[in-house]
Amino acid sequence: DSGVTQTPKHLITATGQRVTLRCSPRSGDLSVYWYQQSLDQGLQFLIQYYNGEERAKGNILERFSAQQFPDLHSELNLSSLELGDSALYFCASSVVASGGTDTQYFGPGTRLTVL
Amino acid sequence: AQTVTQSQPEMSVQEAETVTLSCTYDTSESDYYLFWYKQPPSRQMILVIRQEAYKQQNATENRFSVNFQKAAKSFSLKISDSQLGDAAMYFCAYKDSGGSNYKLTFGKGTLLTVNP
Repeated sequence: DSGVTQTPKHLITATGQRVTLRCSPRSGDLSVYWYQQSLDQGLQFLIQYYNGEERAKGNILERFSAQQFPDLHSELNLSSLELGDSALYFCASSVVASGGTDTQYFGPGTRLTVL
Repeated sequence: AQTVTQSQPEMSVQEAETVTLSCTYDTSESDYYLFWYKQPPSRQMILVIRQEAYKQQNATENRFSVNFQKAAKSFSLKISDSQLGDAAMYFCAYKDSGGSNYKLTFGKGTLLTVNP
């Protein structure tokens, strides 16, 4: 158990819908990262937050957004869902935002299926 | 942009034997970090081992060790005394040490099968 929690574990929804994925980082970790794992794209970085502020963006679609709240939990919002959004979404957390031997610990993931 | 390549989509090993998984990467940075993560059928991403580029000594964690060749940009993972529980997808990952983006860049993964 990494200490990072994600809910829900599984999510099945229809095209055009909107969903929210939730992540709670390890105790003491200020940074949260979101990754998408799909068969065709592999593991891809979406976005990073540090202590409530957005720090970096990766290949995140405009239909997707995220935020980190004062209690440091984070939510990833996916809207106007398409079949291709079906994937495993991981949240990871680390102590700091910057470099150094800062290791990211991953949550169990949320499997999203868009029908 | 940094890239990570794992040239072996699948590997197999006999229980108790040793196996080496390959990883190469491309970067113009001199300071960075490399990781191996394991993803068993449960899909959980589990950190196996970590290497700092500025360290010449190869990292080891129990039965897991790396062969880090900075000039060749190579970072292989050796699993000794393989166990059935080692069966998983293994991902090599790269992270810059500086700048403002601390994302992990992953390879495509190597699926390891352990035969009893």
